[in-house]
This record gives sequence, C-alpha cells and structure tokens, in this order.
Amino acid sequence: ETGVTQTPRHLVMGMTNKKSLKCEQHLGHNAMYWYKQSAKKPLELMFVYSLEERVENNSVPSRFSPECPNSSHLFLHLHTLQPEDSALYLCASSQGQGGEKLFFGSGTQLSVL
Amino acid sequence: GESVGLHLPTLSVQEGDNSIINCAYSNSASDYFIWYKQESGKGPQFIIDIRSNMDKRQGQRVTVLLNKTVKHLSLQIAATQPGDSAVYFCAEGPGGYQKVTFGTGTKLQVIP
Repeated sequence: ETGVTQTPRHLVMGMTNKKSLKCEQHLGHNAMYWYKQSAKKPLELMFVYSLEERVENNSVPSRFSPECPNSSHLFLHLHTLQPEDSALYLCASSQGQGGEKLFFGSGTQLSVL
Repeated sequence: GESVGLHLPTLSVQEGDNSIINCAYSNSASDYFIWYKQESGKGPQFIIDIRSNMDKRQGQRVTVLLNKTVKHLSLQIAATQPGDSAVYFCAEGPGGYQKVTFGTGTKLQVIP
C-alpha cells in the first residue's frame, strides 16, 4: 500500500463514451501527477498539479481533461478517446512538484474499443 | 535530445546471486537519479536515489552506483530473491522543482 489509491483498476470504453479516472492520496503531499504507461515505452508525464493548480500540461490532447478539486484528489476525465489511448494510467504524488520520490498508485488499465 | 535508456531489456538471475541493472543517460546536467521497481499489476515503487555529488549509495540489499564520467547508473541487488522479480526503471532529472525523465525499464527474472 503506497498511500495512493486509484479507481477503477480496469476500464473498457468505447470511443464515444465519457468516463473519469479517480485518484486519492493519503500522504499529505502537495503535488499530484498523471502518467501514461504504454508497452515498451517510457512513462509519459501528462499533467502536474501543485497545491491544486495545474503547473504542467505536457502537450496532452484535449480529450484528456484533468481536475484537482483539492490536494488529496485528482481526476482524469476522458472523452472521445482513440484506440491508441489504451494504456495504463498512473497517478502519483510527491511532497514537492519536482517529481522526486514519486509515490504511485496501482493504475487504471484502460482499453478503448 | 536527452534520453535515458537501459542496456538490457531482460535480465535473468539465479536466486541468491547478485543482480546488476544498468542505465545510461545523456544529459550531463542531470543532478538527481532514481530507481523504481514495478511489480506486475502495481505502480512503480521508489527503491533508492542518488545525487550527482555522490558516486555510491547503499540501501537494504541494494546499491546504486553513479559514474558521471561515462554517464552511467547501475542498481545492484544483493542475494536476489524471487520477490525481486519486476521491471526496474531508472529516472533522471536536473533536481529542484524539475520533473524527472524515465527510462524504458529492464525486466528482472529470478530463477528459483
């Protein structure tokens, strides 16, 4: 148990669906992140939030929309995704916003049909 | 551009032997290096880190070595156990409030 909880663990959605991924951290950290993990590729940083403000959007398509209502919760809203968006989506938190010593959740395995 | 890579995608080690996982980096300005372990069905888990002003750091059964001259990082696992089977990622960053960059990972298989 890392203190970062993601739901759902698995998600299958059609290209016209709207779904949301949820992340909650119980570590008192100030920064939260969304990463995308695809097979045989390095972890790709998508978004960074520090103290509930978005500090980085790493050229992510607008069909991915993050939301950080407070420092403990992070959402990733999904809309009209493509099959190539199928991947493991990982949430992480850290004490600062530098990405040092990240604490990851177990991820949501997303399949877009 | 900068990249972080691994010499071997898969490493098989006999239980009880020592494991060495290697990582090359190209950004000479990198100040901070981290190793993560990712077991099947889980997210990456922090193992150990090292800053550029050090060349060696030890943890519990793990040692990280940093060779800045050749921009090489390695993770040594002593007396490898079946529970060490996982994918290991190195990551590097400039330190401070800058994000880290991850490598593609090396899969460690421990043979009982």
